[in-house]
Parts: sequence; C-alpha cells; structure tokens
Amino acid sequence: DGGITQSPKYLFRKEGQNVTLSCEQNLNHDAMYWYRQDPGQGLRLIYYSQIVNDFQKGDIAEGYSVSREKKESFPLTVTSAQKNPTAFYLCASKRGLAGELFFGEGSRLTVL
Amino acid sequence: AQTVTQSQPEMSVQEAETVTLSCTYDTSESDYYLFWYKQPPSRQMILVIRQEAYKQQNATENRFSVNFQKAAKSFSLKISDSQLGDAAMYFCAYRSARHESDKLIFGTGTRLQVFP
Repeated sequence: DGGITQSPKYLFRKEGQNVTLSCEQNLNHDAMYWYRQDPGQGLRLIYYSQIVNDFQKGDIAEGYSVSREKKESFPLTVTSAQKNPTAFYLCASKRGLAGELFFGEGSRLTVL
Repeated sequence: AQTVTQSQPEMSVQEAETVTLSCTYDTSESDYYLFWYKQPPSRQMILVIRQEAYKQQNATENRFSVNFQKAAKSFSLKISDSQLGDAAMYFCAYRSARHESDKLIFGTGTRLQVFP
C-alpha cells in the first residue's frame, strides 16, 4: 500500500546531540513537508521541498536541516542549535491539484 | 498574509447528535482551497473534506459536510450522527490556488469529545 513512513516513532535525545528523523514515501509525490506540532499551536512548517535537490525554509527553520537527494526521502535533522526540540514531528507529501497533504504517523522527540 | 482561526478550543457532543465546528479565514484572494483534517489519538492527520472556493456547492463526505460562506470567509464543519470514533482534534486549513508552491496554513485546532 502507498503511504508515508516516519521513523522512529519515539526518540529520546540528550541535550547537545543532533538527531535525524526519517520520512519515506512511495506515493510518487514531488512535494514533501515537515511540520512541528506543539500543544495548542497547531502545525508549524519547518521545511518543504517541491522537487529533488531543492528545499525551502518554512516558518520555524532555525535549528533544523533537511536534504532531498531522492524523491522518496526527506529526512529532517534536529540540531543542537534548536532551543526547544521536544515536540511531535509530522512529515507530509502533497497530492492532487488542490494540494492536499497526506501525512505520516509522526515522530515524537523528547530531549532529556 | 492569510490566517486561519478556529475559535473553539474544545467542543463536545452526545453520540448520534450533530455538532458544528467553526473556522474563519482571512485572505484577499478569490481562488483557494479549504480543508478539514482530523487528528485522532493515534496522531496521524487524516483529510476529512475539501472545498474548492470556486464551487458554490458545499462539499459532503458521508456524515461530514461543510457550510462554506465565501463572502463571510467562513468554513464550518458539520458532523452528523456523531460516533465515538469521531473524537479527535480537528484542524481547518487554507491553501491559495495562486501558485502550486503555496503552503497549507492551519488553524490551532478544535478538540472534539464524543460522549456515549
């Protein structure tokens, strides 16, 4: 079945460590997105990529980095520069003319 | 800049009853898309319904329907015959149709509780 796979589902990190969240899709979608979700704040866009080898900063890109070397993959690295990284992270790809998003199951990152 | 506002942080409904979730948005554009997403406790976001602004007819998907008032910039979601499985966070979202690269803008969500 087609879909988006995010891993790991839960991740614990010590302060000062970089961590990478994986996002893989087999939907053949060109555009992919990373969102951060905090309680009461809805979804905030971190980075997005319209096509392979190209990506743009979203609203809260500081402390994060991404790559898009393959159409299927859009990993997100949470660096030590991110001041408050504990959050729920959602990856999505865009489908259709309306540009609706299709989401993965998310990754919860906790900084100890 | 476009904004999406959901003024009801929490709502509750009795099973089998009907509930309406509110959403307003601000835009100067005439061509856009509106969405309602559901986020159950599993946390995966699921598209519930979509509305194209150029369509006057309100979208309907089984027990879910919208009341799209373009002039008032209002896009409410009505859930009929509520079921326990409808309990979730619901997010309203907007996307301009101007450019393919335009991003979805989300509201802050409404938590819906369904009581038996």
